[in-house]
Amino acid sequence: DTEVTQTPKHLVMGMTNKKSLKCEQHMGHRAMYWYKQKAKKPPELMFVYSYEKLSINESVPSRFSPECPNSSLLNLHLHALQPEDSALYLCASSPATSASYEQYFGPGTRLTVT
Amino acid sequence: GQSLEQPSEVTAVEGAIVQINCTYQTSGFYGLSWYQQHDGGAPTFLSYNALDGLEETGRFSSFLSRSDSYGYLLLQELQMKDSASYFCARRDSNYQLIWGAGTKLIIKP
Repeated sequence: DTEVTQTPKHLVMGMTNKKSLKCEQHMGHRAMYWYKQKAKKPPELMFVYSYEKLSINESVPSRFSPECPNSSLLNLHLHALQPEDSALYLCASSPATSASYEQYFGPGTRLTVT
Repeated sequence: GQSLEQPSEVTAVEGAIVQINCTYQTSGFYGLSWYQQHDGGAPTFLSYNALDGLEETGRFSSFLSRSDSYGYLLLQELQMKDSASYFCARRDSNYQLIWGAGTKLIIKP
């Protein structure tokens, strides 16, 4: 199984809502990543988890809160987002952070903040 | 710096060969990856070069020259389904991927 799954595929939320994005992989990978991608731009790293511990937080606003409940799951909790947060949110995994050059991406969640 | 430069757009004809170049700054360089992303889709890993030379995977090949701080992705026997954006990316000292801005490949019949 070389698949990373993400739910939901699409999400529309108001600025006062709280929602969560979910990501799952069953490849035994120990590094997991959250990215944000705007149209016609490369993915922008938000968070890195290594062995279920947050190892990198790229100065992301606190309205984004990551969580890694176990080695297969990664969540991104969203609260009080702004319209400029509308983007494609991608989850990815790699065997370890030392193998970050080869990442497997989920299909993404297309988020619209109204 | 650790930035990468690649052309914003390349146009080629179906059945032809196309090369997408990527230059990078040498500070803390560990290797060069290539990803493909179709419109509306997610990036897909294509290849990784840590050492100089050519890596071949089917119709796609990737080349690295560390002395020239340069790499390229070569796509042969182009098919319409190869129309996509192609990103080169490098790993930094914190094991993060630093991405190029992407090259949009347009294929004409």
